[in-house]
Amino acid sequence: QQQVKQSPQSLIVQKGGISIINCAYENTAFDYFPWYQQFPGKGPALLIAIRPDVSEKKEGRFTISFNKSAKQFSLHIMDSQPGDSATYFCAAASRGSNYKLTFGKGTLLTVNP
Amino acid sequence: NAGVTQTPKFQVLKTGQSMTLQCAQDMNHEYMSWYRQDPGMGLRLIHYSVGAGITDQGEVPNGYNVSRSTTEDFPLRLLSAAPSQTSVYFCASSYSNREKSGYTFGSGTRLTVV
Repeated sequence: QQQVKQSPQSLIVQKGGISIINCAYENTAFDYFPWYQQFPGKGPALLIAIRPDVSEKKEGRFTISFNKSAKQFSLHIMDSQPGDSATYFCAAASRGSNYKLTFGKGTLLTVNP
Repeated sequence: NAGVTQTPKFQVLKTGQSMTLQCAQDMNHEYMSWYRQDPGMGLRLIHYSVGAGITDQGEVPNGYNVSRSTTEDFPLRLLSAAPSQTSVYFCASSYSNREKSGYTFGSGTRLTVV
C-alpha cells in the first residue's frame, strides 16, 4: 500500500513558467510534510516543509499548498529556472512513528531555457 | 562540519559476499536512517535509529542489519549480497526536534551485486 502518491512522474516546463507537483496521502496521523530536491549523483536535500496547521508556506520561489480535508499537498515553483531541473520528492511523517519519512516516488522536472 | 559522510561511494560485490556500508554524522543528530533508492520506486526506508543502542526496521529490512553503538555512526551490513540489492543507498540524520531541521542526507553509495 503506497502511503504517499506523487504525480506527475515527469514534468517539462519552460523557463519562467510555474511547475506544480502534487502529492496525496492516506495516513491521517501524518503531521509533517517535507519536500526534497535531488540533483543527479547527489543525495536529496530538504527544500521546504509544512505542518497541517497551516494551508500554505512560501520560501522564495517555492510554495507548499496544503489541503488537510482532501489529504493533498503540492509544491509550486514560480518563475522556474533551468537550475531547478532535478528530481523532487514529497514525503510525510508522524510524531507517533518518530518522524520516519515515507516518500513519494519522485517527479523529474526539466526546465527548458 | 562534514555533515553526513558515507563510504564507499561505489562498490561491486559478488552474490553471497558480505559488506558494511559506513555512515557517520558530526551534527549530534539523534535520528539516523538508511534508505535505498531504485528507479521509479522513490526512497524506501531500510532501518532507522532514534538514538545510540536503539534501532528498528523500516519498510524493506530483509537482508540488512544495523547497529548504533555511538551517536555518530550507523553502519549498514549486507549479510549475503543478492542482485536484488543492487541500488543506491543513502544514509540520513536528523534532530529529534522537528522544528530544528529536516533530515540531512549523505551523498550515497552506489552498490552493484553481480
